[in-house]
Amino acid sequence: EAGVAQSPRYKIIEKRQSVAFWCNPISGHATLYWYQQILGQGPKLLIQFQNNGVVDDSQLPKDRFSAERLKGVDSTLKIQPAKLEDSAVYLCASSRWTSGSRFGYEQYFGPGTRLTVT
Amino acid sequence: AQSVTQLDSQVPVFEEAPVELRCNYSSSVSVYLFWYVQYPNQGLQLLLKYLSGSTLVESINGFEAEFNKSQTSFHLRKPSVHISDTAEYFCAVSRSIYNQGGKLIFGQGTELSVKP
Repeated sequence: EAGVAQSPRYKIIEKRQSVAFWCNPISGHATLYWYQQILGQGPKLLIQFQNNGVVDDSQLPKDRFSAERLKGVDSTLKIQPAKLEDSAVYLCASSRWTSGSRFGYEQYFGPGTRLTVT
Repeated sequence: AQSVTQLDSQVPVFEEAPVELRCNYSSSVSVYLFWYVQYPNQGLQLLLKYLSGSTLVESINGFEAEFNKSQTSFHLRKPSVHISDTAEYFCAVSRSIYNQGGKLIFGQGTELSVKP
């Protein structure tokens, strides 16, 4: 079974530029998560999708961050415009979980995209 | 709201020595507890989890963790570490696996460095 794929693996941009990250979850996984991991900190959930609907985006800075999962499979996370404090590793994870289920909760993580904003 | 505190940011240890990575959590409701490991340049991998039942849980590579409700702790232990255990370890809690698909709250991480 292929794991969670993310691209690019590394990205360097200047502040005020735009950037997009792509994630392909494990086949059949209904739920997809984007986490932000700043150096020296644990990952923080930005947004959670179930299929193509948003479950939780309470910690997504919506003035500059956006995410979509149009067909309930792949997802993109965009930052526009980027700030210095956005430098971090952006992790994508997926799970089989669906609403009301007590199974399939385990999250499988991709390798992440390391963003450096200069 | 839930929170997680990992009490040590770095733990250096010699090979074959025992190790304990400490994790405390705060929550007003029942939680589920996890340890994840992150090897250099790789994604997070689930090491072990506590959902219910026996308070002592084990991983396939010799780690164990014990859920202590009275002390709100979930410390990770291994009696004898190997060089290959060098990695960052994250403790995480989830309020529910029914709602919000087990949203994870992570601690700050503990860097385990095993020296020969």
